[in-house]
Amino acid sequence: AQSVTQPDIHITVSEGASLELRCNYSYGATPYLFWYVQSPGQGLQLLLKYFSGDTLVQGIKGFEAEFKRSQSSFNLRKPSVHWSDAAEYFCAVGARTGRRALTFGSGTRLQVQP
Amino acid sequence: GAGVSQSPRYKVAKRGQDVALRCDPISGHVSLFWYQQALGQGPEFLTYFQNEAQLDKSGLPSDRFFAERPEGSVSTLKIQRTQQEDSAVYLCASSPRRPRDEQYFGPGTRLTVT
Repeated sequence: AQSVTQPDIHITVSEGASLELRCNYSYGATPYLFWYVQSPGQGLQLLLKYFSGDTLVQGIKGFEAEFKRSQSSFNLRKPSVHWSDAAEYFCAVGARTGRRALTFGSGTRLQVQP
Repeated sequence: GAGVSQSPRYKVAKRGQDVALRCDPISGHVSLFWYQQALGQGPEFLTYFQNEAQLDKSGLPSDRFFAERPEGSVSTLKIQRTQQEDSAVYLCASSPRRPRDEQYFGPGTRLTVT
């Protein structure tokens, strides 16, 4: 069975600082990988996704993520955080065949200090 | 265009009551998913439809949970004899067709069982 671990429950960074949110997955083969963001009272918005090819993926709002097969990781990065980036971030994996459901991590809450 | 909509946005039910939660997917989207998100957790899969066919209901926690999508568009998640542990946000997502396709999430219905 697939699983996702986001080791950091809560992260605080200063506005303008760089950000890295960690995500490790467990899956028998190469999965589809996603990062979603959720603001309070909102649904999830896709930031970026990895299917194949280039392991460095660019997303919206200046985010990027790198797929590292050897480490089973898909960490999310942003070089300079804005106050509006404060939200909950979820990493998710999806199977390439069979089951269509996504498996989510438990999320990382990002707080941005002025 | 319009995104995924869900109604009601908030629902308070007394323990033992039945509730019905509605999801309007993006027009033309073949796939529809229901997820349950407990407080402080990531979404967890409940069930999946392809058109009107319910292809996966392995995540439904008990036989009190029932979902339908009779015409392959709008879907309803019904919970009978609600219990306090059913309190959560129920998220609906739709996607075009392929496993690699992004799932577009609605804002969710927050269910509180008192």
